Amino acid sequence: NAGVTQTPKFQVLKTGQSMTLQCAQDMNHEYMSWYRQDPGMGLRLIHYSVGAGITDQGEVPNGYNVSRSTTEDFPLRLLSAAPSQTSVYFCASSYSSRSNQPQHFGDGTRLSIL
Amino acid sequence: TQLLEQSPQFLSIQEGENLTVYCNSSSVFSSLQWYRQEPGEGPVLLVTVVTGGEVKKLKRLTFQFGDARKDSSLHITAAQPGDTGLYLCAGGDQGGKLIFGQGTELSVKP
Repeated sequence: NAGVTQTPKFQVLKTGQSMTLQCAQDMNHEYMSWYRQDPGMGLRLIHYSVGAGITDQGEVPNGYNVSRSTTEDFPLRLLSAAPSQTSVYFCASSYSSRSNQPQHFGDGTRLSIL
Repeated sequence: TQLLEQSPQFLSIQEGENLTVYCNSSSVFSSLQWYRQEPGEGPVLLVTVVTGGEVKKLKRLTFQFGDARKDSSLHITAAQPGDTGLYLCAGGDQGGKLIFGQGTELSVKP
C-alpha cells in the first residue's frame, strides 16, 4: 500500500536554484494539495487541485508553481529558491474536495535553502 | 481569514495523567478533524466531527465538537508514552479547504 509518495525526502539548495518536489498517489483521489510546515505555525496550504487540469492557490502560494496533468501526480516547483522557503513540505490527497474527507499525507520533503 | 488557535503548544506529563488539548476559533467550521504526527512522518487522521456537540471516542481519546462548531477539544485519559507526538486540529472552511491549528507537542514520560 504505497498511498502518497513524496520524493526526495531531503534536499539542500542554494539561493536562486530551482527544483521540483514530486508527489504521487495510487488511490485514484481527485483532490491533492501541498502544505508547508514550519515550527509553531501548523500546516499552511500552498496550492491545491480538485482534479486533473485544475489547480488553485492556497494561503501561501508565492514562489511556487504546480500542475496536475494526471490524477496521480501533483509536482510542486520552486522557481527561484529563497531561505524563507526552508521548511518541511507535505503533499496530501483525499477522495474529494469536501473538507470532511480524510487527508492522506506523504512523509514529507525536508528542504533547506542556503 | 479563518484562524484556529490551539493550546497548549507544549505539554509534558507523566504516564497515567489525563490531559486536554483545545482548538478555538471565532469562525464556524463545517467539520473538524484531529491528526497525530510522529517525527519524520506525515500527519495521520484520528477523527472527524461534523455535528455541533458531537462526541467521539477512540479508546482513551475523547473528541468533542463545540455546539456552535467554533471549537473542539481532545481529552486523553491515562496517557501512555505511545501517545507522544504532535496533535493537530484542522477545520473545514466553506470552500472545502482545511485550516490547521499550530499543533500541540505532547510528551508522555514513563
